Amino acid sequence: SQTIHQWPATLVQPVGSPLSLECTVEGTSNPNLYWYRQAAGRGLQLLFYSVGIGQISSEVPQNLSASRPQDRQFILSSKKLLLSDSGFYLCAWSAQQETQYFGPGTRLLVL
Amino acid sequence: DAKTTQPPSMDCAEGRAANLPCNHSTISGNEYVYWYRQIHSQGPQYIIHGLKNNETNEMASLIITEDRKSSTLILPHATLRDTAVYYCIRTSGNTPLVFGKGTRLSVIA
Repeated sequence: SQTIHQWPATLVQPVGSPLSLECTVEGTSNPNLYWYRQAAGRGLQLLFYSVGIGQISSEVPQNLSASRPQDRQFILSSKKLLLSDSGFYLCAWSAQQETQYFGPGTRLLVL
Repeated sequence: DAKTTQPPSMDCAEGRAANLPCNHSTISGNEYVYWYRQIHSQGPQYIIHGLKNNETNEMASLIITEDRKSSTLILPHATLRDTAVYYCIRTSGNTPLVFGKGTRLSVIA
């Protein structure tokens, strides 16, 4: 069966520091991968999605970036965090034209 | 724009059926209706989806009207653990999901 992992589970970072969040999927190949963010008390916002290695689509311009160095690995990065980057970051995967499944999320607090 | 409309909140007594409505009056012929729920501090959990026929699985039933302009998610015997935000989403597949604000379901003992 397929499993999606995210780490770390929680992270506290100072403003201006870099960020790297990792997401990996097991048990499938060539998945679509997604990054969403949920600010406190708000809905889920799509940040990036990828249909293959090296293919990244950005939905919202911001100081975040995403990369897909391997088929089942999706990384969310920032060179300098802002206070507004605080939130709950969720990775999801799907097979082609199939249901999306979400990971456990990373809770980021920028101070 | 989520393109679906849901009531912001609902209450349900424990053990009773919870019926969560969703309006998607502009849905296209190739769009499915998906339901997810998000329990506090967790990632969204897939519940069920359908195109035009009613669907049932171990978690819930999905009733889609004949004109496909609305649907209802039914949790047959709600428990306290079903307290969550429920999202109704329309998608044609292979595209990212667009989440609205959902319905906050509170199951009361």
